[in-house]
Amino acid sequence: DTGVSQDPRHKITKRGQNVTFRCDPISEHNRLYWYRQTLGQGPEFLTYFQNEAQLEKSRLLSDRFSAERPKGSFSTLEIQRTEQGDSAMYLCASSLSGGALSEKLFFGSGTQLSVL
Amino acid sequence: AQTVTQSQPEMSVQEAETVTLSCTYDTSESDYYLFWYKQPPSRQMILVIRQEAYKQQNATENRFSVNFQKAAKSFSLKISDSQLGDAAMYFCAFDQTGANNLFFGTGTRLTVIP
Repeated sequence: DTGVSQDPRHKITKRGQNVTFRCDPISEHNRLYWYRQTLGQGPEFLTYFQNEAQLEKSRLLSDRFSAERPKGSFSTLEIQRTEQGDSAMYLCASSLSGGALSEKLFFGSGTQLSVL
Repeated sequence: AQTVTQSQPEMSVQEAETVTLSCTYDTSESDYYLFWYKQPPSRQMILVIRQEAYKQQNATENRFSVNFQKAAKSFSLKISDSQLGDAAMYFCAFDQTGANNLFFGTGTRLTVIP
């Protein structure tokens, strides 16, 4: 197992276009997270899944954003009608939840989105 | 609302020396988790060290240790015997719920001078 994989690594798009990113978590991990990181800032939580259920969504996740994890394995994050303010790095992370403690989070290398 | 503050945008340290990165946070909760993450140029966030708020003992991982002051809401990271590979952005993070929806600070860029 090589860790959390994200595809593509870079995406350049024109304003108004739709984009979709993919995340493959570590295979036995049941939790999957999406974070967004803008230049000079730390990552900001967007949403997370436990198996296929989307359990929490940040208010940062506007109605132009949708995330899915249909079979509880990989996840996609789609941004519709992209805006220049969507330019950021989108990070995916996964963990194995099994107890009350915050479990170790493993991050991917992110997808860098540039909206022109 | 939870906030995490890292007041040092940049720090530098000589190789083999010790450096301390600062972090303060604000919460009204008594039970939570604190983390330091490292982000090298590869962009992948790597967990350096974790502290549960109910534990009085400061966490240690090899050359990395924390000074957790719960009353002061302070959580600093000490890196001993700094190595060139320690050069990266370091982020302090807070997790109230245990569900890994972390609040991150703005980061400290650490430079290691040979």
